[in-house]
Amino acid sequence: DIQMTQSPSTLSASVRDRVTITCRASQTVSTSLAWYQQKPGTAPKLLIYQASSLESGVPSRFSGSGSGTEFTLTISSLQPDDFATYYCQQYTSFPLTFGGGTKVEIK
Amino acid sequence: EVQLLESGGGLVQPGGSLRLSCAASGFTFSSYDMSWVRQAPGKGLEWVSGIRGSGVGTYYAGSVKGRFTISRDNSKNTLYLQMNSLRGEDTAVYHCAKSRRVGATYEFDYWGQGSLVTVSS
Repeated sequence: DIQMTQSPSTLSASVRDRVTITCRASQTVSTSLAWYQQKPGTAPKLLIYQASSLESGVPSRFSGSGSGTEFTLTISSLQPDDFATYYCQQYTSFPLTFGGGTKVEIK
Repeated sequence: EVQLLESGGGLVQPGGSLRLSCAASGFTFSSYDMSWVRQAPGKGLEWVSGIRGSGVGTYYAGSVKGRFTISRDNSKNTLYLQMNSLRGEDTAVYHCAKSRRVGATYEFDYWGQGSLVTVSS
């Protein structure tokens, strides 16, 4: 199984901060990597697919980069609505696997 | 508008069985691969199982292989998860999720709100 490791597990930031979350795969996933945002009590929301493609309707302050085993999700200017937990997911092979999550908290 | 509505969750004793359903609408159900993803209380996301749009081709996480069976009825636009030999560690909210595009791709653009399964005596 491909293990996905996110860092940090918790991140404290202020509105308008630039935020970067890292996701590392235990073996190459090429660019078969997605990012999701989840708020308490709700279903995850797709933000980024194919490592760097922005899902329709997602604000342009979100961006993704990377390939192979190292990926990043960047929020260019954190907004109040962005405080949530973020997950990466590889879909290059079964079983599909998610990272452990990064909780973005208000500083 | 795409909608996914899960049902069938509840309290079950260890060793028991339960069948979850996911009613889909707003898209051509038979064209899209579907999955079940679960989230234990206070924990992260865990993919459980996936199925091709045609129903031919199923995939499982190691933790549920041999105990859970995924299926679909394309005439009813419904996805199922039959769960047998349930254990305490299967306690979670179970979401059905739709693959973003046609073909064997497994990033998920729509999710149901989930159905809670509690395994306890």
